Amino acid sequence: DADVTQTPRNRITKTGKRIMLECSQTKGHDRMYWYRQDPGLGLRLIYYSFDVKDINKGEISDGYSVSRQAQAKFSLSLESAIPNQTALYFCATSPRGSVTGASYNEQFFGPGTRLTVL
Amino acid sequence: AQSVTQLGSHVSVSEGALVLLRCNYSSSVPPYLFWYVQYPNQGLQLLLKYTSAATLVKGINGFEAEFKKSETSFHLTKPSAHMSDAAEYFCAVSDREGTYKYIFGTGTRLKVLA
Repeated sequence: DADVTQTPRNRITKTGKRIMLECSQTKGHDRMYWYRQDPGLGLRLIYYSFDVKDINKGEISDGYSVSRQAQAKFSLSLESAIPNQTALYFCATSPRGSVTGASYNEQFFGPGTRLTVL
Repeated sequence: AQSVTQLGSHVSVSEGALVLLRCNYSSSVPPYLFWYVQYPNQGLQLLLKYTSAATLVKGINGFEAEFKKSETSFHLTKPSAHMSDAAEYFCAVSDREGTYKYIFGTGTRLKVLA
């Protein structure tokens, strides 16, 4: 099955360390997104990318950076992790246009990465 | 600016009872609306979506939602709760053109009592 995968699934790190979270997809979608989930706050958009050369900040991009290495890969980096970046991080994808079984306004989510910054 | 409000961060129902999860949106034009479900230790799965056409939308697992423009609401319902429905539910809104970015509500955790 075409899928969205995230690595690692769990990570514990220390304040000040550089961390990279990776997302890969086999859905053939052009658009990719990074969200963080905090209890009581829902999901908030960090960055999104509509193709390899088109990367945009979301509502909470401070302290994060991203890299779109290929259509299928979108990585999120924390250059210097801090405790309030402890959260559940999700990658999502969506197609550019309507394709069989999905449309451009539907997002497909990976299983998440639980990050703890001590 | 768009926003989504989910009333009730926690909802408890008895097995077999009606499930009603509330979602109200704020948007200058009717947006696209979505309900996602998150089971423990899993990602989000689309339950249903409203994009135009019919205002009553049927989704997976017996859920449905009705778009009411006059009330700016998109409440999620299921006639009879099952233990397996216990999860967290998120309402989301996006534009009808442009970036199609999602704005999520804060979520409602559904507990089903035996």
